[in-house]
Amino acid sequence: SQQGEEDPQALSIQEGENATMNCSYKTSINNLQWYRQNSGRGLVHLILIRSNEREKHSGRLRVTLDTSKKSSSLLITASRAADTASYFCAPSRGSGYSTLTFGKGTMLLVSP
Amino acid sequence: DVKVTQSSRYLVKRTGEKVFLECVQDMDHENMFWYRQDPGLGLRLIYFSYDVKMKEKGDIPEGYSVSREKKERFSLILESASTNQTSMYLCASSLLAGGREQYFGPGTRLTVT
Repeated sequence: SQQGEEDPQALSIQEGENATMNCSYKTSINNLQWYRQNSGRGLVHLILIRSNEREKHSGRLRVTLDTSKKSSSLLITASRAADTASYFCAPSRGSGYSTLTFGKGTMLLVSP
Repeated sequence: DVKVTQSSRYLVKRTGEKVFLECVQDMDHENMFWYRQDPGLGLRLIYFSYDVKMKEKGDIPEGYSVSREKKERFSLILESASTNQTSMYLCASSLLAGGREQYFGPGTRLTVT
């Protein structure tokens, strides 16, 4: 398995602003996933981007992937207080019995 | 929608007790996982299973064992609980192998005193 590292560790913004979080990883991947965790709860899968994709959208979420730089970004547009959560990336080789390794996440605080 | 349930949200046990954490998923997923989450350390994989009666060690299996007798149920066992096993325990399942989307339960916050 391989681990992603999220950056920044913490991010504080106002409602309506955009939030950008970054993820870096070290080896080649088949896909990269983003998850959200509300305080004290389980993780929720947000989006999966394959290694042959450069950008993917889902509602207010936009994910980019640059395999040459081994990095990904998650953009949340027009953020809401309900977006307050920790966000994790999980790069995956996607082969055989490979598992996911989660980093320490980015803690996003959206203030009203 | 996939539903993953865990037997308890909060659990308090004494040092030396045998502790069972149970996880059940209702979507016929082949793969199930147990993680623990600690401040500053993120999520760490304890054990996983790709089939009934099959188990594989994750990154931190010491002090834990697992059981998967039925496809929908994956149990984590602390043979003799210790204070350093105080943590949030998260169960997950996935339909496909090979590092695909995982669906998580709500977590069990275990305190060992």
